[in-house]
Amino acid sequence: GAGVSQTPSNKVTEKGKYVELRCDPISGHTALYWYRQSLGQGPEFLIYFQGTGAADDSGLPNDRFFAVRPEGSVSTLKIQRTERGDSAVYLCASSLSRQGNPGLSYNEQFFGPGTRLTVL
Amino acid sequence: QKEVEQDPGPLSVPEGAIVSLNCTYSNSAFQYFMWYRQYSRKGPELLMYTYSSGNKEDGRFTAQVDKSSKYISLFIRDSQPSDSATYLCAMSASDTGRRALTFGSGTRLQVQP
Repeated sequence: GAGVSQTPSNKVTEKGKYVELRCDPISGHTALYWYRQSLGQGPEFLIYFQGTGAADDSGLPNDRFFAVRPEGSVSTLKIQRTERGDSAVYLCASSLSRQGNPGLSYNEQFFGPGTRLTVL
Repeated sequence: QKEVEQDPGPLSVPEGAIVSLNCTYSNSAFQYFMWYRQYSRKGPELLMYTYSSGNKEDGRFTAQVDKSSKYISLFIRDSQPSDSATYLCAMSASDTGRRALTFGSGTRLQVQP
């Protein structure tokens, strides 16, 4: 079946502009995550949704970043007043949320290809 | 200091070599340990996960976790040029509740034909 998709694949914007990045998770996955990956670094957690609600937004760097998931499926990451330091690849992942015995089952996070954001 | 430390490489080996990749971590709450592979301009894909300490084998890949030393390893046997990618270790405290993964910075591997 279809994996996690993200649009656009590339986004170039100017400093101070507003951008929206979209994530379509795997159908049926209740959990959705946003990560940010800077050049030469591993992904860093931004926010996690369980259904429609943000269960953990402790990774958002400041109040310019906001994310929504109004119907529990598609999510949009919104960045206001973009800065050059926001340039990175923004990754989305989704997973099931099954309860199971630790070690016997694992809710794998499936990643999308990312949106490469460049702020000039 | 980062919670998860990983040598960035690059690591260059000849085809057929055994590759050893590793990470150290500081958070004793981590219980799940994952290895992801990431090709250029692609998202990470899960190779293996291990719960708590121990070894796990899957084909040419073996993952080891030593919680007492806070050290994890991934071994790749009979390495192939198609294994050339960045390998990311990742960890989490649980599979329920807060599911965010904490990643290492990744090790870039090049397998020479």
